Amino acid sequence: DQQVKQNSPSLSVQEGRISILNCDYTNSMFDYFLWYKKYPAEGPTFLISISSIKDKNEDGRFTVFLNKSAKHLSLHIVPSQPGDSAVYFCAASQGAQKLVFGQGTRLTINP
Amino acid sequence: DAGITQSPRHKVTETGTPVTLRCHQTENHRYMYWYRQDPGHGLRLIHYSYGVKDTDKGEVSDGYSVSRSKTEDFLLTLESATSSQTSVYFCAISETRVNYEQYFGPGTRLTVT
Repeated sequence: DQQVKQNSPSLSVQEGRISILNCDYTNSMFDYFLWYKKYPAEGPTFLISISSIKDKNEDGRFTVFLNKSAKHLSLHIVPSQPGDSAVYFCAASQGAQKLVFGQGTRLTINP
Repeated sequence: DAGITQSPRHKVTETGTPVTLRCHQTENHRYMYWYRQDPGHGLRLIHYSYGVKDTDKGEVSDGYSVSRSKTEDFLLTLESATSSQTSVYFCAISETRVNYEQYFGPGTRLTVT
């Protein structure tokens, strides 16, 4: 069973607009959430994270929102830029040094 | 960028042969991980290590073994490779127990024919 799900395999957004990537989880014991970005032929790179005691975290153009009651996580990128085209993975941790990843969403930013 | 290298970067091998992938770090991080990435599955944890000679199984450990005899090296061995183990393998490292960030290597593309 998939504890962390990204139900949209792909997303296409116009340059300059907002990109919203979504992630749902089933385990209410998860206490830390992360987003990673991955370019082809490279390893994933850490993007932004949020603790379960918060509902929002911002870092420049990237904002992560956490809705614990809905067990839902989202990543907002605004404005979207061509270099944001990549695969994005959400991940969750349960008080341990292990992460559970979603399947990934391929984001394409169109000029 | 975290100092993580993986070798080899690409490998083609035949079914039934043993294969060892190496992960080397220069960050002196305590935790090391092996993941595989497959379409539709994201990244799945194979094994991880929380110190020299201390390892544990992950979500998809069947058919894989690991060893860590030095802080900087974490080896993943496929004892007898199968076609279902064709995948991209990533090593990751982590140190903090606070925010769980992991830093990934560049990956090894393994094809089992």
